[in-house]
Amino acid sequence: EAQVTQNPRYLITVTGKKLTVTCSQNMNHEYMSWYRQDPGLGLRQIYYSMNVEVTDKGDVPEGYKVSRKEKRNFPLILESPSPNQTSLYFCASSPGWTGELFFGEGSRLTVL
Amino acid sequence: GQQVMQIPQYQHVQEGEDFTTYCNSSTTLSNIQWYKQRPGGHPVFLIQLVKSGEVKKQKRLTFQFGEAKKNSSLHITATQTTDVGPYFCAGPKDSNYQLIWGAGTKLIIKP
Repeated sequence: EAQVTQNPRYLITVTGKKLTVTCSQNMNHEYMSWYRQDPGLGLRQIYYSMNVEVTDKGDVPEGYKVSRKEKRNFPLILESPSPNQTSLYFCASSPGWTGELFFGEGSRLTVL
Repeated sequence: GQQVMQIPQYQHVQEGEDFTTYCNSSTTLSNIQWYKQRPGGHPVFLIQLVKSGEVKKQKRLTFQFGEAKKNSSLHITATQTTDVGPYFCAGPKDSNYQLIWGAGTKLIIKP
């Protein structure tokens, strides 16, 4: 089954404790992206990747890092989480950057 | 900068009434996509419109792309409880490999 898998789905952590949200897709998509969704603000892009080893900042990259060492994986790293990073995070992939986006189930992160 | 405005932010309807959301871009878009998000779920792709003036239908949903490719709308006829949730539009940014998103319209069915 074609899917985008994110883990963890839910996480409560404390300020400053590094965490990684994993994202994996099994559709051989070149384009992958991370979004955060906050009430009233819609979807805001954090980082995106056009292909392996090619990543770029989205609209709200501060406080986040990503890597794309393999085509299928695109982890989101919060080196030192802060409460303003409490949000719902979605990973998405697409065959190309203008095509249909396939979203993961989401990861709800709370930073205390 | 480039903007996509989506209105209204919320629409409350009785079950069986129609629903419409509008997307207005500050620039011409090469295409526009529509997504639906079930409550507690993730966005799911509905459709992509590419041609000027294009109209596409999916059962009770009608999608339009304006002649100038700066406006789009999604119309749902005879809403059902399964239609609730936010609907988002998105189009390619001019400057880089990103999509620019509308803030979404939340369809709410009145009890």
